[in-house]
Amino acid sequence: QKEVEQNSGPLSVPEGAIASLNCTYSDRVSQSFFWYRQYSGKSPELIMSIYSNGDKEDGRFTAQLNKASQYVSLLIRDSQPSDSATYLCAVVGGTSYGKLTFGQGTILTVHP
Amino acid sequence: GAVVSQHPSWVICKSGTSVKIECRSLDFQATTMFWYRQFPKQSLMLMATSNEGSKATYEQGVEKDKFLINHASLTLSTLTVTSAHPEDSSFYICSASRTEDYYEQYFGPGTRLTVT
Repeated sequence: QKEVEQNSGPLSVPEGAIASLNCTYSDRVSQSFFWYRQYSGKSPELIMSIYSNGDKEDGRFTAQLNKASQYVSLLIRDSQPSDSATYLCAVVGGTSYGKLTFGQGTILTVHP
Repeated sequence: GAVVSQHPSWVICKSGTSVKIECRSLDFQATTMFWYRQFPKQSLMLMATSNEGSKATYEQGVEKDKFLINHASLTLSTLTVTSAHPEDSSFYICSASRTEDYYEQYFGPGTRLTVT
């Protein structure tokens, strides 16, 4: 089992729809959870961080964390073509000293 | 806030030469800096972790004598690729974090290295 797994893509949604990205992790004592967006040929950009159970909203983005189920998700509302990118789920484990463990990424395409 | 820069953004060098890449945190002091490598259509691969004033910790399989990392201050880390070969051609990305931010890592724009 991979340490961090993301739902297989690619994911294609129409403009204006909600895009849902999911991620599970295996280290039960993981403490910090992040979503990064990476455009082709560019470096990752931090878009959301979440540390406690529940929802965290920032503009069109909502991150959800359920530590009991070891599950973290990202919802993008009113998706725009500019949201088309690879989304990386990243987790800091209990003994990783700040090192991120990345999922394999989900490619999102928002079509007009 | 939390801006990280890298220099150069791209570099072409001849096989056998060395290349130095700089990573700077511009508006915060970075407790820890990380160096990653990414090949086309692949995920990020962590190469090493460095803390200011300490020797870098390299991931398994990464040659520490080939990829020299220096973290001289809380705002600057450098990666030197020594005796570069074509197989070292890749996208090198640094990131910086501060523990008070619960380990949020802020990535630099990356350096594209081509070895001819």
